[in-house]
Amino acid sequence: AQKITQTQPGMFVQEKEAVTLDCTYDTSDPSYGLFWYKQPSSGEMIFLIYQGSYDQQNATEGRYSLNFQKARKSANLVISASQLGDSAMYFCAMREDTGFQKLVFGTGTRLLVSP
Amino acid sequence: EAGVTQSPTHLIKTRGQQATLRCSPISGHTSVYWYQQALGLGLQFLLWYDEGEERNRGNFPPRFSGRQFPNYSSELNVNALELEDSALYLCASSLELREIQETQYFGPGTRLLVL
Repeated sequence: AQKITQTQPGMFVQEKEAVTLDCTYDTSDPSYGLFWYKQPSSGEMIFLIYQGSYDQQNATEGRYSLNFQKARKSANLVISASQLGDSAMYFCAMREDTGFQKLVFGTGTRLLVSP
Repeated sequence: EAGVTQSPTHLIKTRGQQATLRCSPISGHTSVYWYQQALGLGLQFLLWYDEGEERNRGNFPPRFSGRQFPNYSSELNVNALELEDSALYLCASSLELREIQETQYFGPGTRLLVL
């Protein structure tokens, strides 16, 4: 069964610094996708970045990059040049090729960016 | 382009009542997903609708049901409400390409409180 683990309940970072949010996963399916979402206090889940299991390069989207280490089954999110508006919950999620479209989420990491 | 919309934003019910939550997907999206985010339980997959049919459901009792209309909007019904049904209910939509990288885009959610 697919499983996502986020071991950092909370992280603190100063404005303009980089921060890494950890995510490890477990699956027996060779084909899968990994997603990161941001959830501000308003509740809406905002899609940030995607990494496919067969992608050769790490995904990047603006200030977001994904450090994908397939052998270690990790997909850490790196946020560069943190901004106050980055303060939110961050969720790592996975979908297996045979997973009937459902996303399985980790427990999330709360990021607080200080001035 | 409008994102996923959900109504109502907040809903207060008493135990034993029925709740109806509504979701309109992004224009052009035909798949709709429902997730429950309860305190302490994280995000759990509830239901997936595609082309008007239920394609997959999570580990929830039958009193959680729904439907998808010809315009691809969806309704989630929760019968015989219990206190533990109090949660944020998130709706997501995607294209129906059924590919690993197909992103699910979320709405702002409906906060259901059962008293």
